[in-house]
Amino acid sequence: AQKVTQAQTEISVVEKEDVTLDCVYETRDTTYYLFWYKQPPSGELVFLIRRNSFDEQNEISGRYSWNFQKSTSSFNFTITASQVVDSAVYFCALSEVQSTDMRFGAGTRLTVKP
Amino acid sequence: DAGVTQSPTHLIKTRGQQVTLRCSPKSGHDTVSWYQQALGQGPQFIFQYYEEEERQRGNFPDRFSGHQFPNYSSELNVNALLLGDSALYLCASSLGQDNQPQHFGDGTRLSIL
Repeated sequence: AQKVTQAQTEISVVEKEDVTLDCVYETRDTTYYLFWYKQPPSGELVFLIRRNSFDEQNEISGRYSWNFQKSTSSFNFTITASQVVDSAVYFCALSEVQSTDMRFGAGTRLTVKP
Repeated sequence: DAGVTQSPTHLIKTRGQQVTLRCSPKSGHDTVSWYQQALGQGPQFIFQYYEEEERQRGNFPDRFSGHQFPNYSSELNVNALLLGDSALYLCASSLGQDNQPQHFGDGTRLSIL
């Protein structure tokens, strides 16, 4: 069965600090997809990234970067030089290729203080 | 380019009633998924519709049912409402069936009294 664990319930940082959100997953499939979504107070989930299980290259997009390590079943998300607008709940999710069921973690609430 | 739209935004019902929530997918998308998000938790998959058929279902009772129309829009119906059905209901759309990123609407906040 697929499972996603986000052990950090809440994180609070001061603006311009770097912050890493952890995500650990479980799956029996060899082919799967990992996602990160951002949920601001408005409620809409905003897609950030999709990564398939065969691509372990780290990815950087502006201040965002993702570290995918199959050996530890982790897909961590780092925000560099955080800003107040980064305040939101961030969800990691897993989707096995044979299934359309996207399994979400419980989320990490990030608060960036000015 | 319209994104995913859901209606209504908020809804208040009482136990035992029935409710219908509506979703229009992002332009160009043909697959619609529904999720339930309880307060402080991650979204939980209810079911997915593709080509007007329920393609996959999560661990939800038969009180939860849905429909997809030829224009790809979708409805979520919940019968015999329970207090525990109070949640944010999210609709997501995507293209095809190969784990493409899902685009979410703002959700319908359902409160059961």
